Amino acid sequence: GAVVSQHPSRVICKSGTSVKIECRSLDFQATTMFWYRQFPKQSLMLMATSNEGSKATYEQGVEKDKFLINHASLTLSTLTVTSAHPEDSSFYICSARPGSRDTEAFFGQGTRLTVV
Amino acid sequence: KNQVEQSPQSLIILEGKNCTLQCNYTVSPFSNLRWYKQDTGRGPVSLTIMTFSENTKSNGRYTATLDADTKQSSLHITASQLSDSASYICVVSKGNTGGFKTIFGAGTRLFVKA
Repeated sequence: GAVVSQHPSRVICKSGTSVKIECRSLDFQATTMFWYRQFPKQSLMLMATSNEGSKATYEQGVEKDKFLINHASLTLSTLTVTSAHPEDSSFYICSARPGSRDTEAFFGQGTRLTVV
Repeated sequence: KNQVEQSPQSLIILEGKNCTLQCNYTVSPFSNLRWYKQDTGRGPVSLTIMTFSENTKSNGRYTATLDADTKQSSLHITASQLSDSASYICVVSKGNTGGFKTIFGAGTRLFVKA
């Protein structure tokens, strides 16, 4: 199956700093990538949808200026958590979809962010 | 309201036993339904995907069923193994060619004990 690689898998940062998470589709071109956030024992919550070459579409309640998403190429999307605070500590997961239709989306391994 | 509800929230079974997880949805228009397995601290991995016309689909020891009339799906795990311990997430896609939206269930946490 298609492979989506997320990096880093774990990151610890100090409060007030920014951290960037990368999501790469290794063997296919991803027209659309999704970013999710997952708190312990809860399901995934969609944060934003990014389409290559255009601005991301954010879900209601997600701060655009805090969670910067860039999808500059068909194989790479990045999520930057700016001015991180302890409440931003969470598990962040990306997924990538090869086409524009409702085809299978493949998930990355996730990134555990801890803000201290 | 478009919802996906899973039951039970959690389940403990002995190794070797079978179990069935349930997913009820009220999503419309329905596009497809997927079951994912998510190990702790990992991203979800797809188990099955079913469209409106499919009633059952198997993937090894995993068998998913879909009743589009009652809007219910189940995931049956046969001869459970310790490695089956994970969260199982039901995801329903809503939409048509005009656009799609995926709706996640809260998941069922399965614990398989020796």
